[in-house]
Amino acid sequence: IAGITQAPTSQILAAGRRMTLRCTQDMRHNAMYWYRQDLGLGLRLIHYSNTAGTTGKGEVPDGYSVSRANTDDFPLTLASAVPSQTSVYFCASSSQTSGGAVTQYFGPGTRLTVL
Amino acid sequence: SQKIEQNSEALNIQEGKTATLTCNYTNYSPAYLQWYRQDPGRGPVFLLLIRENEKEKRKERLKVTFDTTLKQSLFHITASQPADSATYLCALGEGSGGGADGLTFGKGTHLIIQP
Repeated sequence: IAGITQAPTSQILAAGRRMTLRCTQDMRHNAMYWYRQDLGLGLRLIHYSNTAGTTGKGEVPDGYSVSRANTDDFPLTLASAVPSQTSVYFCASSSQTSGGAVTQYFGPGTRLTVL
Repeated sequence: SQKIEQNSEALNIQEGKTATLTCNYTNYSPAYLQWYRQDPGRGPVFLLLIRENEKEKRKERLKVTFDTTLKQSLFHITASQPADSATYLCALGEGSGGGADGLTFGKGTHLIIQP
């Protein structure tokens, strides 16, 4: 069982280019998330999806878009990358525990550098 | 504004001692609080969850307390080992939905267990 896979592992991108970060989970979790992690700022939620076909905005959604065509895949797209989007990006999915609480499973991350 | 605070300084503990990490929050009414461990270059890994009506939760050498009056959680690692060295993140989920819209993370505390 792979859990959550992300691709690419790392990427250097020229500013203005379009980029899609891929995320796939094999746990059949309904909810998926994208976070970015920056030194001194911690993990911040970009977008989320509670179920296939629905998405929502997190704390820092500007410059990013997502889609959720099926349960397993949740790609994150940067339409026109800017240097401030240099970060480590984590995809996560959630398993709901009894009582409604949600624990999250994280992928290994994608390190993105925008020059 | 909502805020989660964790010790930003690294915490150095002698092997065998108990390590205690603190998570304070303001302007939240969390339904539950979670602790995650993150190793360098990897995604966070879920450790423990404690609900608002629980005072304490244990798992092997780990213990979490949750004081909604003080708005604080303490995370203890007893009989600490060098392998416990990592960054520990606290995360809050709000409301009956239990964070299905994503968690809010603290910036993390870097714990170093000295042999």
